[in-house]
Amino acid sequence: RKEVEQDPGPFNVPEGATVAFNCTYSNSASQSFFWYRQDCRKEPKLLMSVYSSGNEDGRFTAQLNRASQYISLLIRDSKLSDSATYLCVATQPGAGSYQLTFGKGTKLSVIP
Amino acid sequence: EAGVTQFPSHSVIEKGQTVTLRCDPISGHDNLYWYRRVMGKEIKFLLHFVKESKQDESGMPNNRFLAERTGGTYSTLKVQPAELEDSGVYFCASSQFTGTSGYNEQFFGPGTRLTVL
Repeated sequence: RKEVEQDPGPFNVPEGATVAFNCTYSNSASQSFFWYRQDCRKEPKLLMSVYSSGNEDGRFTAQLNRASQYISLLIRDSKLSDSATYLCVATQPGAGSYQLTFGKGTKLSVIP
Repeated sequence: EAGVTQFPSHSVIEKGQTVTLRCDPISGHDNLYWYRRVMGKEIKFLLHFVKESKQDESGMPNNRFLAERTGGTYSTLKVQPAELEDSGVYFCASSQFTGTSGYNEQFFGPGTRLTVL
């Protein structure tokens, strides 16, 4: 079983649509969670952190459910520029290291 | 402020050859990480430096991989001898010293795309 699992998509949505991505993690010791965005042939970039209380940044809302080991990302009013791969990420700290554990990513294409 | 830089951007070598990848972290970042993405797979952790010391190298696949960070500035990752399965994108990331404050954002470089023929 993969440590972080995501639906690979692709999700093809029209501009203005609302789209939701889900992610589950297997290691209950995971402490911090993030959504990263990766454009084609580019490096991953932090989109937002994920907290149990929920985290909203403009059109983006992230949520963490520790009991279910489930993470979500909601994008409202999709823009063409939102087209990218969204990576669900967890940290497993140990020995002072905060190595990131990535899901394979969910590909989003926003269509005009 | 300059971000994380990596060199080369692409490398094509033959099986059995040696390749050295370089990463220059953001100035002042003590933490330096190496990750790798093999085609069709997720990005995976390789190792973590704090300054010049290897803090965690649990993700290094085998002893053909050697990472160094002399002087605690830039880092190199050498693959010797390269095998076909080493092909992929190698990312470097850096972050500020964590101390007791917990996780600090890791900033990624553009990656080195390695192809072993």
